Amino acid sequence: ETGVTQTPRHLVMGMTNKKSLKCEQHLGHNAMYWYKQSAKKPLELMFVYSLEERVENNSVPSRFSPECPNSSHLFLHLHTLQPEDSALYLCASSQDLAGLSTFNEQFFGPGTRLTVL
Amino acid sequence: GQNIDQPTEMTATEGAIVQINCTYQTSGFNGLFWYQQHAGEAPTFLSYNVLDGLEEKGRFSSFLSRSKGYSYLLLKELQMKDSASYLCAGRSGGSYIPTFGRGTSLIVHP
Repeated sequence: ETGVTQTPRHLVMGMTNKKSLKCEQHLGHNAMYWYKQSAKKPLELMFVYSLEERVENNSVPSRFSPECPNSSHLFLHLHTLQPEDSALYLCASSQDLAGLSTFNEQFFGPGTRLTVL
Repeated sequence: GQNIDQPTEMTATEGAIVQINCTYQTSGFNGLFWYQQHAGEAPTFLSYNVLDGLEEKGRFSSFLSRSKGYSYLLLKELQMKDSASYLCAGRSGGSYIPTFGRGTSLIVHP
């Protein structure tokens, strides 16, 4: 596997279910991100991790719970979601958050298309 | 964070040139990205500008004017495969995390 991978690619869940999204990066990067992408809206930053520590939490409801066990893996645990949480959830990674890389561009995974019924 | 503005949708003809504009807040500006996202796929990095001027990469070029808070992505010799959403993203202040615009959906027709 190369780049950033995400599983599952599609997920349908009821409002009472608990599920997890998984992201893995094979690029040796130190920073990882979760974004939410809804139709006609900008990419919304949810969480940022740098060297396995959470550095940003953008007022995300507690029904979304991130976990970063090591610098290559990132999870998003979901419970008691609402229909308005249906969206494409994108994971991304970058070399660092700041300083060492000129561009520090983000590499995105293909996303998980989540539908909450 | 930034306040990014770009058109929602554009159409163009195969073989033509199209310019996609993006405006942003100049206060604390710290770099601007363009990404391409095909339907159902991951966004992929196209370009980065932090200084004024034009950066050319094959058929794609990106321009920045820091004084005007303005950037554009120029696509030449359009191909059908260029139909995609083009995301403008800007950084500001001490944050190295960009803020994304809504994206411009480009439709290339024969």
